[in-house]
Amino acid sequence: GENVEQHPSTLSVQEGDSAVIKCTYSDSASNYFPWYKQELGKRPQLIIDIRSNVGEKKDQRIAVTLNKTAKHFSLHITETQPEDSAVYFCAASLTAAGNKLTFGGGTRVLVKP
Amino acid sequence: AAGVIQSPRHLIKEKRETATLKCYPIPRHDTVYWYQQGPGQDPQFLISFYEKMQSDKGSIPDRFSAQQFSDYHSELNMSSLELGDSALYFCASSLGGGFTEAFFGQGTRLTVV
Repeated sequence: GENVEQHPSTLSVQEGDSAVIKCTYSDSASNYFPWYKQELGKRPQLIIDIRSNVGEKKDQRIAVTLNKTAKHFSLHITETQPEDSAVYFCAASLTAAGNKLTFGGGTRVLVKP
Repeated sequence: AAGVIQSPRHLIKEKRETATLKCYPIPRHDTVYWYQQGPGQDPQFLISFYEKMQSDKGSIPDRFSAQQFSDYHSELNMSSLELGDSALYFCASSLGGGFTEAFFGQGTRLTVV
């Protein structure tokens, strides 16, 4: 089955700096890669996703890149703000009927004012 | 817009008791996933259903069972509860097949004492 690894496990940045989180996956058939943000005790919320036919996607301060050959994808947050502090999870799935998401281990991001 | 509804939000049970968690997916969503998240852990996939049939199975203990009903809601039944079952249980729903996101419910916090 799919295995997703995520690094780093914790990330502390100064407000205004950039944050980068990297993930690798094992199943070359995976073709959908979402990123979720989870605040303490709350549900994971989708912040951005990328499909395997796209190499990069951007939404305001958030961007995701995908390298299918190397089987890794990354989340970039620019101009970080204190409200960006949360746990971020990458995930991978094969979008067939009844597909499941396999999550990475999570990255705890702390943005210091 | 309607979201994924989980009930109850909080549940306290004693060891060896039984618990039932309910999940009502977003209307027209045909796929339901159950995840277990321990403190400081990433969500662990338990089981999923697509069109009322089990579509995938993860690290779900034999003491747990689940099903998806004709109205697409799902129930997770947990018997012989153990202290280690204390966790946040998330349900997510999506449209099976194609490139779709999974939307998570608010979760049920189960505490076994």
